[in-house]
Amino acid sequence: EADIYQTPRYLVIGTGKKITLECSQTMGHDKMYWYQQDPGMELHLIHYSYGVNSTEKGDLSSESTVSRIRTEHFPLTLESARPSHTSQYLCASNFLGARGDTQYFGPGTRLTVL
Amino acid sequence: AQKITQTQPGMFVQEKEAVTLDCTYDTSDPSYGLFWYKQPSSGEMIFLIYQGSYDQQNATEGRYSLNFQKARKSANLVISASQLGDSAMYFCAMRENRGSTLGRLYFGRGTQLTVWP
Repeated sequence: EADIYQTPRYLVIGTGKKITLECSQTMGHDKMYWYQQDPGMELHLIHYSYGVNSTEKGDLSSESTVSRIRTEHFPLTLESARPSHTSQYLCASNFLGARGDTQYFGPGTRLTVL
Repeated sequence: AQKITQTQPGMFVQEKEAVTLDCTYDTSDPSYGLFWYKQPSSGEMIFLIYQGSYDQQNATEGRYSLNFQKARKSANLVISASQLGDSAMYFCAMRENRGSTLGRLYFGRGTQLTVWP
């Protein structure tokens, strides 16, 4: 299984601020993902990475950007936060085991943009 | 087209009773995996159970079992002996094992389960 860490857990910030949501895992997993989820709603894939220097956009268009300079670290950045970015952001990585790729999630970051 | 469909926005069950949460899927990939996750109000996603498309038997994990009907493309989650702590949102997800996005999951819209005493 995977231990996936996300910081901060909660963030309240004003419009126009630049923010970075941190995600890290210590298991050396290559595949990592970011999802956006509004309360009580489905998950939308916004970014994914298959390894260092590999990043792709997901299904949902997002103004955020990601980087993957190190295997264990997959941060998400919003250059200028807006109220429409208020949501929960979930990071995940894949553990390759007997079930094939199984996705495990971090605890999430709940972002509120005022 | 939706790859995962969960038709029950909300379900209610009395404590100690069994409940079935429905999930149907759509794929042309002969090799795939099906997952169920639980999301309590705290927000984290907790992996519950997995079924591979070539698995002959239905998966079971404690009180959770997956009723896999391949011809009908359904993968229903059965929770036996419901507990108050089972109250949460439940998501069905699928992984297709071929294609350019190996490992990514497609999620349904979720079912909110409420267990009452």
